[in-house]
Amino acid sequence: SQQGEEDPQALSIQEGENATMNCSYKTSINNLQWYRQNSGRGLVHLILIRSNEREKHSGRLRVTLDTSKKSSSLLITASRAADTASYFCATDEDMRFGAGTRLTVKP
Amino acid sequence: DSGVTQTPKHLITATGQRVTLRCSPRSGDLSVYWYQQSLDQGLQFLIQYYNGEERAKGNILERFSAQQFPDLHSELNLSSLELGDSALYFCASSGQQGADTEAFFGQGTRLTVV
Repeated sequence: SQQGEEDPQALSIQEGENATMNCSYKTSINNLQWYRQNSGRGLVHLILIRSNEREKHSGRLRVTLDTSKKSSSLLITASRAADTASYFCATDEDMRFGAGTRLTVKP
Repeated sequence: DSGVTQTPKHLITATGQRVTLRCSPRSGDLSVYWYQQSLDQGLQFLIQYYNGEERAKGNILERFSAQQFPDLHSELNLSSLELGDSALYFCASSGQQGADTEAFFGQGTRLTVV
């Protein structure tokens, strides 16, 4: 079974709003990664957070990691229509992905 | 451009046939992963190779096989194809095992079985 499980499965918001999606995993990790997939394209790496980090920022992205709860969250601030995509998480221990969170940002 | 090359980009074949999908990883990357993505589904992990050796196996059917060659490119062989095998097949590569490296994905091979 896969390591990373994303939720919610789908999220629809208006442009300018923030989007938060979550990831849960099962075993100890060295790092956790978030990826984005535009329809029919390959996944693109967004951000990597190490197990000894609690929070990391990259542009409009903020990732948190709670190793005690084995969970991570990805926050996209001030969303844009171009952020419409599916988002996936994976850990270094197991590059298996869940079903992803399908984000729709309405203009 | 991720640096991962997959060929062919598109493939249409008949049921019962056999096809080979090819993946050239990013220069220096030792790990190659294969995934299957059916329409509007998540990515199903098939198999991982690291420096020529099988490292992890997922939901890979017995009709499917893969290998990684000494030059680190990888091939995924699909045989006795069925309509349900129609999907996007992605490969990804990453660097040293255990290092803090991201995976880079190819643009996929779209397989249509008719």
